[in-house]
Amino acid sequence: GAVVSQHPSWVICKSGTSVKIECRSLDFQATTMFWYRQFPKQSLMLMATSNEGSKATYEQGVEKDKFLINHASLTLSTLTVTSAHPEDSSFYICSARDSVSYNEQFFGPGTRLTVL
Amino acid sequence: AQRVTQPEKLLSVFKGAPVELKCNYSYSGSPELFWYVQYSRQRLQLLLRHISRESIKGFTADLNKGETSFHLKKPFAQEEDSAMYYCALSHTGGGNKLTFGTGTQLKVEL
Repeated sequence: GAVVSQHPSWVICKSGTSVKIECRSLDFQATTMFWYRQFPKQSLMLMATSNEGSKATYEQGVEKDKFLINHASLTLSTLTVTSAHPEDSSFYICSARDSVSYNEQFFGPGTRLTVL
Repeated sequence: AQRVTQPEKLLSVFKGAPVELKCNYSYSGSPELFWYVQYSRQRLQLLLRHISRESIKGFTADLNKGETSFHLKKPFAQEEDSAMYYCALSHTGGGNKLTFGTGTQLKVEL
């Protein structure tokens, strides 16, 4: 089946630094990728939709200047958390939509970000 | 606005007992509903979708537009069914974004 990877799986950084998280579709092309955020014992909240070759579409309340998304190829999307603060600590999950498999999203394993 | 409600945070059943995980939704358009499952220490994966009308691992779910529900059912629970289950709704007019419910932790006891 379709596989989505994320790197790194976990990261600890100091407040004020920036962190980049990669999301890759390993065996299929994904014109659309999605970035979610999940707080402990809560559901996944969609942050933004990443479209290859165009600007990402952010959900209401998500700061686009803080969470930079780049989708430069059909297999890679990156999320950069700029000037991270402790409140940005969370579990970030990406998914990729396979245009061949009807409307199915394949999820990455997630990245645990801890900001000190 | 679209919303997915899973009223139970935790559902505990004995092995062999029937299981029903509730999901209700609100959506102004024509919904596409999904059930995703997350086993311990694994990533989220699709269990089934309403449009396929399929049974996966013994689970079924029927879309009831009158009651705006998409409950997940299995007649006989197995220990390996213990996991976190999320109901999700796809926005057909919004780039197929998914709105997730808060999830139900299913625990199957021996």
